[in-house]
Amino acid sequence: GAVVSQHPSRVICKSGTSVKIECRSLDFQATTMFWYRQFPKKSLMLMATSNEGSKATYEQGVEKDKFLINHASLTLSTLTVTSAHPEDSSFYICSARRWARVRGTEAFFGQGTRLTVV
Amino acid sequence: AQSVTQPDIHITVSEGASLELRCNYSYGATPYLFWYVQSPGQGLQLLLKYFSGDTLVQGIKGFEAEFKRSQSSFNLRKPSVHWSDAAEYFCAVGGSQGAQKLVFGQGTRLTINP
Repeated sequence: GAVVSQHPSRVICKSGTSVKIECRSLDFQATTMFWYRQFPKKSLMLMATSNEGSKATYEQGVEKDKFLINHASLTLSTLTVTSAHPEDSSFYICSARRWARVRGTEAFFGQGTRLTVV
Repeated sequence: AQSVTQPDIHITVSEGASLELRCNYSYGATPYLFWYVQSPGQGLQLLLKYFSGDTLVQGIKGFEAEFKRSQSSFNLRKPSVHWSDAAEYFCAVGGSQGAQKLVFGQGTRLTINP
């Protein structure tokens, strides 16, 4: 299957600083990537849809200025948590969409990033 | 609006026993349904998916799921669980074969007793 890599897998940062999380599709081009947030013992909530070369589409209730998404190439999307606070601590997961002639379109998930803000 | 309900938050079964995890969905159009597994601190791995055709879908690791339109359900089953199956399981619904955003259920945590 296709590989989606997230980096870093874990990050601890001080309150007020910014953190950048990368999502890369290693062996395919992804015009669309999705960013999810998972609270402890909770499900995944879609934060935004990232489209290569255009602005991200944010879900209702997600602060655009706090969660900056950039999809500058067909293999890389980044999520920057700006001025992080302890309540931003969470598990962030990206997924990348790939189209294949036989199997159609599928979404592949990264391994996630555990963000802890202290 | 689309939604997914997994009624069981936590299930415990003995190793070797059969397993069924429940999933009910609400979706206005033809649903594309998925089951994912998540090990602690890890991302999601796709177990199986239903797009169309045969309502009984076979997946990896010996899992299968059956789509029942009349019941709006997509329950996951395995005839005999292994200790390595202990994980969190998520049911999800989406459009366009999952290429669009997915809506996830709350998840079911599976514990395996030796």
